[in-house]
Amino acid sequence: AQKITQTQPGMFVQEKEAVTLDCTYDTSDPSYGLFWYKQPSSGEMIFLIYQGSYDQQNATEGRYSLNFQKARKSANLVISASQLGDSAMYFCAMRDRSSNTGKLIFGQGTTLQVKP
Amino acid sequence: GAGVSQSPRYKVAKRGQDVALRCDPISGHVSLFWYQQALGQGPEFLTYFQNEAQLDKSGLPSDRFFAERPEGSVSTLKIQRTQQEDSAVYLCASSLEVSGRGEQYFGPGTRLTVT
Repeated sequence: AQKITQTQPGMFVQEKEAVTLDCTYDTSDPSYGLFWYKQPSSGEMIFLIYQGSYDQQNATEGRYSLNFQKARKSANLVISASQLGDSAMYFCAMRDRSSNTGKLIFGQGTTLQVKP
Repeated sequence: GAGVSQSPRYKVAKRGQDVALRCDPISGHVSLFWYQQALGQGPEFLTYFQNEAQLDKSGLPSDRFFAERPEGSVSTLKIQRTQQEDSAVYLCASSLEVSGRGEQYFGPGTRLTVT
C-alpha cells in the first residue's frame, strides 16, 4: 500500500533562514508523482511544488526546492529565506500516476512556525 | 480567474440531520475530488469524478455519504443522518488533466460540526 510519512509534527525557524521539512514515501509502483501543499490557518490547501518519479532534476519553484532522493524514497521540502507568511501546516502527498483517478495520499503534516 | 469555491464555509448540524455541501470547481476542470480532513490530520480521499462520471467512491466511509456531479461541473456531497464522527473539514479539489502531473487545486473547505 502507498504511504506518506512526515515525522516532524512541528518545526521552528528564524525569519530569513532556510528550513527542511522531511517526507518519506512508500510505493511499489515505478511511476508516481510527489507534491507539497501549504495549508495556512484559513484552511485552503495551496499547491507549492511537484516532483515526478522519472524527473532527472530536483524540482524548484522560487524559494521552494525539493530534495528528491529516489533510492531512499525521500522528498524533503526546502524553504529558503523563510518569511513570517510561511507559518502554516505543510503536507507532502503522493499521486499514483498509474491510477486512473489521480487521487492524492497525504502525510500527517508538519506545522512550521517562523519566528521574527 | 476564479478558484475552487465551496459553500457553506461552516455548517453545524444536529446528530441525525442531513447536510449538503457544495463545490464549484475551476471552469473547464475535468477532474473533481472530495477529501475529508479530521482535526490535525492530513486529508483523506473520499471520491473522484471525471466530468459527470463517479469513477471512484472507495473512500466514502459509509452508505450515508453520497456525492454527485450531474452536469460535470458543480458537485454536491451529501451526508445523511449525520453522526458526531462526521465532524471534519470537507475539501473539494479540481484538476484540469486526467493524466500527467495533474496538480489539484483546492477550495477553502466546509467545516462540519455535528452536535
